[in-house]
Amino acid sequence: QQQVRQSSQSLTVWEGETAILNCSYENSAFDYFPWYQQFPGEGPALLIAIRSVSDKKEDGRFTIFFNKREKNLSLHIKDSQPGDSATYFCAASGAGFASALTFGSGTKVIPCLP
Amino acid sequence: DAGVTQTPRHEVAEKGQTIILKCEPVSGHNDLFWYRQTKIQGLELLSYFRSKSLMEDGGAFKDRFKAEMLNSSFSTLKIQPTEPKDSAVYLCASTSLNTEVFFGKGTRLTVV
Repeated sequence: QQQVRQSSQSLTVWEGETAILNCSYENSAFDYFPWYQQFPGEGPALLIAIRSVSDKKEDGRFTIFFNKREKNLSLHIKDSQPGDSATYFCAASGAGFASALTFGSGTKVIPCLP
Repeated sequence: DAGVTQTPRHEVAEKGQTIILKCEPVSGHNDLFWYRQTKIQGLELLSYFRSKSLMEDGGAFKDRFKAEMLNSSFSTLKIQPTEPKDSAVYLCASTSLNTEVFFGKGTRLTVV
């Protein structure tokens, strides 16, 4: 049973538009939800994260919307750019930062010219 | 400040061989993780150490996989014997309380 689920394997988005990546989870004990960005040949790198006490976290063009009741969250990437072409992983853990992360299967974002 | 360092970056092994992958965490980090990444399964946790003590190991990986923390600044992952299905990218990551998890660039293992 997958504890963290990302609904799309890939997402094509017009440059300049907003990409929306969805994620859901099973375990009610999860309280920390980071999103990681990974480029080919590199390890994942933290993009933005949210704790379950919040329902929104914004950092520049990236925003997380979190719904604790529904056990889902989404990552919005505003004004998509060619440099956003990467795979994005939703992850979750309990007990704050220092515990093993459980990852979703990833969504590959492909910006394209309109 | 160096990030997480993994060596080698690429490894080719014959079926049945023993291979050892190495990881140096970020200096001062107490927690260290080994993950396996494949296109089909995504990122799977192999081992989790806190202050050199094994906190969690991926149940499915106990058989031929053994991770060790020889000291606070060095960890190894041994796969013995290797099988073609072990071909994957092996990622090491580290963190300390109230900081983000940092990943290395990974070791790409190919078993032929």
